[in-house]
Amino acid sequence: KQEVTQIPAALSVPEGENLVLNCSFTDSAIYNLQWFRQDPGKGLTSLLLIQSSQREQTSGRLNASLDKSSGRSTLYIAASQPGDSATYLCAVRPNNQGGKLIFGQGTELSVKP
Amino acid sequence: DAGVIQSPRHEVTEMGQEVTLRCKPISGHDYLFWYRQTMMRGLELLIYFNNNVPIDDSGMPEDRFSAKMPNASFSTLKIQPSEPRDSAVYFCASSPHPGQEDLGGYTFGSGTRLTVV
Repeated sequence: KQEVTQIPAALSVPEGENLVLNCSFTDSAIYNLQWFRQDPGKGLTSLLLIQSSQREQTSGRLNASLDKSSGRSTLYIAASQPGDSATYLCAVRPNNQGGKLIFGQGTELSVKP
Repeated sequence: DAGVIQSPRHEVTEMGQEVTLRCKPISGHDYLFWYRQTMMRGLELLIYFNNNVPIDDSGMPEDRFSAKMPNASFSTLKIQPSEPRDSAVYFCASSPHPGQEDLGGYTFGSGTRLTVV
């Protein structure tokens, strides 16, 4: 059974710091991995999608990496800003499970001015 | 595309009443998912459809919950009768078939915040 774990559960950093959020999954048979952001009281916004054949994806100050063989992904946020404060969720799309996404519990990030 | 559209945004109802939540997925997406999110249990997958056909409803908590997808552009999640413990945010999401990510990845709607009193 695929399980997704995110560490840490919560993180507080000063503005301007570079930071890394971690995601691990137990079964490497995945089609892709996606990082989402959720602001309080809002829906989930997709940040980056990495196909299983890819190693990383970048969007602005965000960089996500994928090491499928070790079951790990990281989300790197450069020069963090207070507006980055949100909960970040990692999700994998397993092979042969008809499109289901398996979510981690999320990392709650707080960037202090 | 306007994204995944859910209605209503907020719903307050009395225990025992029927509640219907609505979702319009992104055009061209083959999959539609209904999720429930609470502080205690996080994000739970309730049911999902592929090409309008229910594929996995193992997450539906009880027979009080039902979902339909009469066509590719509309789905409903119904709770009858509603109970206070059903209070949560209900999200609808859609995604393309694997290999068609040019149509976008997994996309969530803004959610319906349900309160049953």
